[in-house]
Amino acid sequence: NAGVTQTPKFQVLKTGQSMTLQCAQDMNHEYMSWYRQDPGMGLRLIHYSVGAGITDQGEVPNGYNVSRSTTEDFPLRLLSAAPSQTSVYFCASTSGANVLTFGAGSRLTVL
Amino acid sequence: LAKTTQPISMDSYEGQEVNITCSHNNIATNDYITWYQQFPSQGPRFIIQGYKTKVTNEVASLFIPADRKSSTLSLPRVSLSDTAVYYCLVGDDGNKLVFGAGTILRVKS
Repeated sequence: NAGVTQTPKFQVLKTGQSMTLQCAQDMNHEYMSWYRQDPGMGLRLIHYSVGAGITDQGEVPNGYNVSRSTTEDFPLRLLSAAPSQTSVYFCASTSGANVLTFGAGSRLTVL
Repeated sequence: LAKTTQPISMDSYEGQEVNITCSHNNIATNDYITWYQQFPSQGPRFIIQGYKTKVTNEVASLFIPADRKSSTLSLPRVSLSDTAVYYCLVGDDGNKLVFGAGTILRVKS
């Protein structure tokens, strides 16, 4: 059981570039979500999904897109990267009542 | 979503018991209380969850009074490796949980 796997672990982008952060889970969880964490701050919810084909916005969705074509995968797309999107991104899947399993994180720097 | 309030930071020494209290005055009937631990450069990790009274596992205890407007995470005999950020979350929907700034626990030798 790998749990929640995120790739890449590190990425440097230039302003305006686009990219996709990958997230995969092997626990057959219906619920998945993406958070960002800025230095010294708590996690903020970007987007979430309650199952394949269903996504919704969290607290800070602007500049990001998601899709959920399978139960296992929940990629996060940055459409046109901005320096304000420099952050650590965490993907999570949820089992039972509110028990989230997080990935190791993807550290993104936008120059 | 119920808002939570925790101390910004706490200091302790190895071997002591640490209690971190979280206030959640507008907790809803269906809400659970869940605590997570986060080490630097890692994702948060589930510690314990409860609905009312007391819950204990191999890592911690969670005390919830009858009115459920607060909860206390108790870590027995902390060690240096317990230095981390601790988050209290309240909600009934695992997909829309709001993380606050958490409590930075520093354990000293």
